[in-house]
Amino acid sequence: DVKVTQSSRYLVKRTGEKVFLECVQDMDHENMFWYRQDPGLGLRLIYFSYDVKMKEKGDIPEGYSVSREKKERFSLILESASTNQTSMYLCASSYVPGVLDGYTFGSGTRLTVV
Amino acid sequence: GQQVMQIPQYQHVQEGEDFTTYCNSSTTLSNIQWYKQRPGGHPVFLIQLVKSGEVKKQKRLTFQFGEAKKNSSLHITATQTTDVGTYFCAGLGTDSWGKFQFGAGTQVVVTP
Repeated sequence: DVKVTQSSRYLVKRTGEKVFLECVQDMDHENMFWYRQDPGLGLRLIYFSYDVKMKEKGDIPEGYSVSREKKERFSLILESASTNQTSMYLCASSYVPGVLDGYTFGSGTRLTVV
Repeated sequence: GQQVMQIPQYQHVQEGEDFTTYCNSSTTLSNIQWYKQRPGGHPVFLIQLVKSGEVKKQKRLTFQFGEAKKNSSLHITATQTTDVGTYFCAGLGTDSWGKFQFGAGTQVVVTP
């Protein structure tokens, strides 16, 4: 019954590495999102996409990029990982926002950059 | 830009007691949603409110959207240990296509 799948639950990377976080949804949702979650800061939007090959910056896009080549897949890329990017990363998807149900989140990827 | 604030940040509740968590937006909202995240889990959608003054209930949970559509509340009656977790509100601004702004959440701890 898994609907939004994130490729890794835990990930440890070295400073300066290029990191790929993958997210796949099987609900035919138009919209997909990447958030990072840090204690006391809630969920902060990094990037979102409302269609294939379309992307929009969220509140904290610096140091990140995204790719959406297929409707079901939304990838988050850390071009050169830094220790301040150690966090929980959550992918989410939805239909047209606010019309039907809310976001469906993946289980998250806890990334540690050493 | 739009900001969504939640209070309190932490809530310690005795089992059986009631409590309320509040969500306030700096701008008028189109919709507001509430999510629950269990410890070690991911946020799960609970409900969406759209109309001014709207009140919705889910068993022991009562959700309310303010008349001015700038605030919302979640009230839980007779708290149980299963209510443990972090509750997030997320607001959609009137000009914020596609992007719900999440609050920082209220972390709820229930004491048996």
